[in-house]
Amino acid sequence: EVQLLESGGGLVQPGGSLRLSCVASGFTFAGYAMTWVRQAPGKGLEWVSGISGSGGSTYYADSVKGRFTISRDNSKNTLYLQMNSLRAEDTAVYYCAKASKPIAAAASYVDWGQGTLVTVSS
Amino acid sequence: QSALTQPASVSGSPGQSITISCTGTSSDVGGYNYVSWYQQHPGKAPKLMIYDVTNRPSGVSNRFSGSKSGNTASLTISGLQAEDEADYYCSSYRSSSTQVFGTGTKVTVL
Repeated sequence: EVQLLESGGGLVQPGGSLRLSCVASGFTFAGYAMTWVRQAPGKGLEWVSGISGSGGSTYYADSVKGRFTISRDNSKNTLYLQMNSLRAEDTAVYYCAKASKPIAAAASYVDWGQGTLVTVSS
Repeated sequence: QSALTQPASVSGSPGQSITISCTGTSSDVGGYNYVSWYQQHPGKAPKLMIYDVTNRPSGVSNRFSGSKSGNTASLTISGLQAEDEADYYCSSYRSSSTQVFGTGTKVTVL
């Protein structure tokens, strides 16, 4: 059974940083692209970033490019999202998801984590 | 990056069919057969209902079907049931190697 468990969310001040983690189990982690999707309170889904299975290719939404960095440690079956220069509009539940295709952006996502809440506020 | 356009709400009576549209551009919906649809109940993670425009994942009811014409994709739910009441989101690959979601549609079963 595929399991994705996010952690690292919390309250952070504007301009601050936070690193999210997503520990995966139940599948060969290195064989799958992964992605981060977020959802602001009461709002819709927003694709944030994707990464190839090897970690060699990364992709970002314009809204986070230059501020967020996606990475993975295949030896630890863990996906990361380093978030810097956080803004109030980054407040959201952040989900990690397992991609169905090698290119995360072209993929659909069957398996999702439960999400971790990031709140950016002073 | 602008979201794909969906109607804010769609409603129907039990047993009826409803269709949710998802309008993009030739750089996303119209240019690729990588459209997916997700169902989301309150407080839950999204659930994949349709992928690659028309395909249903294992375990998803055949009451759900997808299609595409030009820059608009559609999700049809036939034989509407109370459990179908949820938010629905489309998503598509976009030519900048990113993915974009739709604005979301709230489905109400009357």
